[in-house]
Amino acid sequence: GAGVSQSPRYKVAKRGQDVALRCDPISGHVSLFWYQQALGQGPEFLTYFQNEAQLDKSGLPSDRFFAERPEGSVSTLKIQRTQQEDSAVYLCASSLFSDRVHGYTFGSGTRLTVV
Amino acid sequence: AQSVTQLDSHVSVSEGTPVLLRCNYSSSYSPSLFWYVQHPNKGLQLLLKYTSAATLVKGINGFEAEFKKSETSFHLTKPSAHMSDAAEYFCVVTPYDSGGGADGLTFGKGTHLIIQP
Repeated sequence: GAGVSQSPRYKVAKRGQDVALRCDPISGHVSLFWYQQALGQGPEFLTYFQNEAQLDKSGLPSDRFFAERPEGSVSTLKIQRTQQEDSAVYLCASSLFSDRVHGYTFGSGTRLTVV
Repeated sequence: AQSVTQLDSHVSVSEGTPVLLRCNYSSSYSPSLFWYVQHPNKGLQLLLKYTSAATLVKGINGFEAEFKKSETSFHLTKPSAHMSDAAEYFCVVTPYDSGGGADGLTFGKGTHLIIQP
């Protein structure tokens, strides 16, 4: 597609509920990143895929967070047993190249509110 | 390790006057540096990037930034502000890396640019 598409745009979850956030990167983009942006803060790195391989998951805040990209295109970020501190905008970014320096195309994000 | 400090959380300028958004970085490696802009309810848009080529980088919408290694700075400027420039701006660093590896982008906390009519 023309850009990085994320769905849903907004998600309200009750505390303890599981959620799944979807990212459709630009077709053919090798690299895919997930970021978490809390209110009034800059995005923080969660995890990185190169094609289907998850090369870095050092930013995932707990074992309740899980990401996958099984076919090297669409990615899903899953959060189990959501907590109020998980409320944030979750951003997905993709890049054609496998290195880090060429800049990334970001999606508009999914705003997750845990009540 | 790498970090980014955006020195001002808010900057307010009058339309038609110059804009200066300040950014200092630290990085263990030769860094790549970016400025992104985020309009309300929109995705992050790349304004410009520095990747060890020319130290003065020109971006979209009349913005430019100068990489100063001696000052570890990468300040964003624009000669004349426009109302449409009102947004959140993020300075971003990543270690120059030609083949993957650890560490994604490290974002600053952002500077909210306000344009007064």
